[in-house]
Amino acid sequence: AQSVTQLGSHVSVSEGALVLLRCNYSSSVPPYLFWYVQYPNQGLQLLLKYTTGATLVKGINGFEAEFKKSETSFHLTKPSAHMSDAAEYFCAVSKPSGSRLTFGEGTQLTVNP
Amino acid sequence: DAGVTQSPTHLIKTRGQQVTLRCSPKSGHDTVSWYQQALGQGPQFIFQYYEEEERQRGNFPDRFSGHQFPNYSSELNVNALLLGDSALYLCASSLVTSGRDQETQYFGPGTRLLVL
Repeated sequence: AQSVTQLGSHVSVSEGALVLLRCNYSSSVPPYLFWYVQYPNQGLQLLLKYTTGATLVKGINGFEAEFKKSETSFHLTKPSAHMSDAAEYFCAVSKPSGSRLTFGEGTQLTVNP
Repeated sequence: DAGVTQSPTHLIKTRGQQVTLRCSPKSGHDTVSWYQQALGQGPQFIFQYYEEEERQRGNFPDRFSGHQFPNYSSELNVNALLLGDSALYLCASSLVTSGRDQETQYFGPGTRLLVL
């Protein structure tokens, strides 16, 4: 079975500060990893994904994540937070052979002016 | 290019009733997955449809059933509604290339179901 743990249900940063959202996964096979963002009363929007190849993945809105197999981690970062980044962020894992996504519990990001 | 659409946006039902939610996939996609997102939680996988058949199923009771039509759109049916079925129901579409490898799932805005 696959699982995802997101450390910190709430993260608060100042505008312009580094954003770091943590995600650790468990998988018996090489995983595919995803970060999605959810704004209030909306569906999920894909930020970035890792399947194979380069372990540093760049996504939309200046976000990036690094796949670290030895640490079973896929942390999401952004060098400088913007007010518009305030939202809930979900890390998800799937198997390469199937497209079922297993999500973490989410991290609510607050950006303070 | 239309994205994933879902209807209705909101729905209120009472315990014991039945509900049908609808999803139209992104243009060119052939696979539809359904997820339940309870308040304050991450989405939970219900099931996935491909070629009009249920391809995978999560840990949900038989009260949850679905269908995929020849045009790839899909319905989620829930019978004998319980208070605990209140949630945001998300539909996601993807394209399975050659029957292998994960393709990105694109999510719709969801249907918010309230069971009283």
